[in-house]
Amino acid sequence: EAGVAQSPRYKIIEKRQSVAFWCNPISGHATLYWYQQILGQGPKLLIQFQNNGVVDDSQLPKDRFSAERLKGVDSTLKIQPAKLEDSAVYLCASSSAVLTGSYEQYFGPGTRLTVT
Amino acid sequence: AQSVTQLDSHVSVSEGTPVLLRCNYSSSYSPSLFWYVQHPNKGLQLLLKYTSAATLVKGINGFEAEFKKSETSFHLTKPSAHMSDAAEYFCVVSEGSSNTGKLIFGQGTTLQVKP
Repeated sequence: EAGVAQSPRYKIIEKRQSVAFWCNPISGHATLYWYQQILGQGPKLLIQFQNNGVVDDSQLPKDRFSAERLKGVDSTLKIQPAKLEDSAVYLCASSSAVLTGSYEQYFGPGTRLTVT
Repeated sequence: AQSVTQLDSHVSVSEGTPVLLRCNYSSSYSPSLFWYVQHPNKGLQLLLKYTSAATLVKGINGFEAEFKKSETSFHLTKPSAHMSDAAEYFCVVSEGSSNTGKLIFGQGTTLQVKP
């Protein structure tokens, strides 16, 4: 079974520029999550999708961050404009929680963003 | 609201000696609890999970954890550390009440294994 795929793995941009991250979850997983992990901290949930609908985006800075999952499969996370404090690893995870009742999430390798 | 506190930010052990990583949780509901491991430049991997079945949970690579409701603890242990166990470990609680599967991560514990 293929795991969660993310791209790019690394990205360096200047502040005020925009950036987009892509995630392909495990096949058949209805739930998709985006997390932000700042150096030295645990991951923090940004947004959760159930199929193509948003379940929780309470921690998403909506003035600069946006995310979509148009066909209920792949997802993109965008930052525009980026700030220095957005430097972090952005993790995508997926889960089949709806089908199995399990909350186990499978994580991708992450995208390391550096804002200069 | 749920939360987790990992009591040690850094633990150092010698290879072949026991490992103990401590975690306390706070939850208004019957929690689901997890331990995840993160090796450098790799994704998070599930070690084990507790979901209201047996209180002693066995995971991968010889790790286990015991759910103690009276102490609100979920400490991770391993009888004998291996060099490959050096990594970042996260204790995690799930917001089971909302049924969304939202995970709340602790700050992490860095495990160093000395030869």
